Amino acid sequence: AQSVTQPDIHITVSEGASLELRCNYSYGATPYLFWYVQSPGQGLQLLLKYFSGDTLVQGIKGFEAEFKRSQSSFNLRKPSVHWSDAAEYFCAVAPGGGADGLTFGKGTHLIIQP
Amino acid sequence: DAGVIQSPRHEVTEMGQEVTLRCKPISGHNSLFWYRQTMMRGLELLIYFNNNVPIDDSGMPEDRFSAKMPNASFSTLKIQPSEPRDSAVYFCASSAEAGQETQYFGPGTRLLVL
Repeated sequence: AQSVTQPDIHITVSEGASLELRCNYSYGATPYLFWYVQSPGQGLQLLLKYFSGDTLVQGIKGFEAEFKRSQSSFNLRKPSVHWSDAAEYFCAVAPGGGADGLTFGKGTHLIIQP
Repeated sequence: DAGVIQSPRHEVTEMGQEVTLRCKPISGHNSLFWYRQTMMRGLELLIYFNNNVPIDDSGMPEDRFSAKMPNASFSTLKIQPSEPRDSAVYFCASSAEAGQETQYFGPGTRLLVL
């Protein structure tokens, strides 16, 4: 069975600084990978996804992620964070794309310092 | 499109009562998913349907939980009888059929069982 590890429960970043959130997955083949963001009291919004092709994926709100097969990682990055980026971020994996259920990591809570 | 619609948004009930959560997927989507989010276990897939047929219910906690999808535009998740440990946020998501399709999440139902 697939699994996802987000090693950082909390991360604090100053506004304007760069951000990297870590995600490692365990799956026998190349999985479909996703990053979702959840604001307090809200549902989940897709930031970006990787299915195949270019390993550097661009998403919404200035986020990008890089798939590294050798490291089984799919880290999320943003060059300059804004206070509105404070939220919970979830990495997820699915063996069959969106037609199968997602397996989520435990999430990383992002705190933005002024 | 209005997105995935869930009702109620909040539910407070007493232990032993029956609880019914409702979901309307995005029109044209053929896959529907129910997830549960708790502090301890994070986001977990409970069950998913494809073309109204349950495909994988291995995440359903126990027999007290049941889900139905009588038609392409409506699904229910029922807990009978409810217990305090069922308190969680329950999300419904939908996606178009076949792989490489994004799952779109509803706003969730926050359930509190006293």
